[in-house]
Amino acid sequence: GNSVTQMEGPVTLSEEAFLTINCTYTATGYPSLFWYVQYPGEGLQLLLKATKADDKGSNKGFEATYRKETTSFHLEKGSVQVSDSAVYFCALSENTDKLIFGTGTRLQVFP
Amino acid sequence: NAGVMQNPRHLVRRRGQEARLRCSPMKGHSHVYWYRQLPEEGLKFMVYLQKENIIDESGMPKERFSAEFPKEGPSILRIQQVVRGDSAAYFCASSRGQGRIETQYFGPGTRLLVL
Repeated sequence: GNSVTQMEGPVTLSEEAFLTINCTYTATGYPSLFWYVQYPGEGLQLLLKATKADDKGSNKGFEATYRKETTSFHLEKGSVQVSDSAVYFCALSENTDKLIFGTGTRLQVFP
Repeated sequence: NAGVMQNPRHLVRRRGQEARLRCSPMKGHSHVYWYRQLPEEGLKFMVYLQKENIIDESGMPKERFSAEFPKEGPSILRIQQVVRGDSAAYFCASSRGQGRIETQYFGPGTRLLVL
């Protein structure tokens, strides 16, 4: 079945460091891929998405490229801030409409 | 433009009681999804509804759990005779249409604690 695998956290970085959170997926067809962010005590917010191979999603300095050949959708940011501390979820959606989530990666950014 | 609304935000129940969780989708959205997040885990799909119809309930436990999305009013997730293992955050999401390119927008969640 379809699944999403994320790197385990927590990821601990200093402010202005480069961020990569790995995400790979397994799907039978051509899914759309998403990154959601969850701040403490809150719901999930869509961060970015890509709907076909080689698409790049971007928002608030975060980027992720849909790589069909490596079945990956890694999240990157060039310079993280303390306010980026949150849990990041990679997810996919195929024709069934439901989102399938990874287990989440906690990011902690220290000043 | 109000987002997805959920209430209550926090709910405490004793074992054996009923829990009712409400979700009002974003304006213009007729597709509603419920997900459950257990502590320190990702979200797991429970059920997908359109107005007056359950489209996919493959993630719902077979017993004690039910969901509805009436013609008027919010979507309701009902858990009867709650047990401690039901303690979790329950999130509702809505979308304008269906299909893999549609974005689901999430509410703030209801955190259920069963004593």
